[in-house]
Amino acid sequence: QKEVEQNSGPLSVPEGAIASLNCTYSDRGSQSFFWYRQYSGKSPELIMFIYSNGDKEDGRFTAQLNKASQYVSLLIRDSQPSDSATYLCAVNAGKSTFGDGTTLTVKP
Amino acid sequence: DAGITQSPRYKITETGRQVTLMCHQTWSHSYMFWYRQDLGHGLRLIYYSAAADITDKGEVPDGYVVSRSKTENFPLTLESATRSQTSVYFCASSEGGARYEQYFGPGTRLTVT
Repeated sequence: QKEVEQNSGPLSVPEGAIASLNCTYSDRGSQSFFWYRQYSGKSPELIMFIYSNGDKEDGRFTAQLNKASQYVSLLIRDSQPSDSATYLCAVNAGKSTFGDGTTLTVKP
Repeated sequence: DAGITQSPRYKITETGRQVTLMCHQTWSHSYMFWYRQDLGHGLRLIYYSAAADITDKGEVPDGYVVSRSKTENFPLTLESATRSQTSVYFCASSEGGARYEQYFGPGTRLTVT
């Protein structure tokens, strides 16, 4: 079992819809959770981080964390074509472990 | 320029050659990381450093060597390049440990022929 698993893509949503990206992790000692966005041919950039159970909202993005279920998700509301990218989930338990990413395509 | 830079951006080398990838950051971040990213995969940690002269292995360290004599530099050396080391290499830095975000360099695309 991989330490960090993301739902397999690609994920395609129409413009204006909600995109839901999911991530599960195996290490119960994990302390912090990050979502990075990576455009094709570019380096990852941080979108959201979350440390505590519950929801954290930042503009169109909401991160959700459930430590009991070892689950973290990212919701993108009102998806735009510019949101088309690969989204990487990263889990820190001393050092970072990244999932393989989910590629999102937002169709106009 | 401020930030994190990598050089070279592209490199083609032959099997068996030694190659060094450079990483430089201007933020004085204590932590630095090297990842490789292969097609269809996420980032896999090669080595990381918590401070100058302190380095530790990541998930895939075999065939790589790192050093960190200065806080701002973290070079990665492939001692004898193999085709399986063809990949995109990202350097990253962070203010602290687990609770801090990482800032990534632009990447080096390495091809071993």
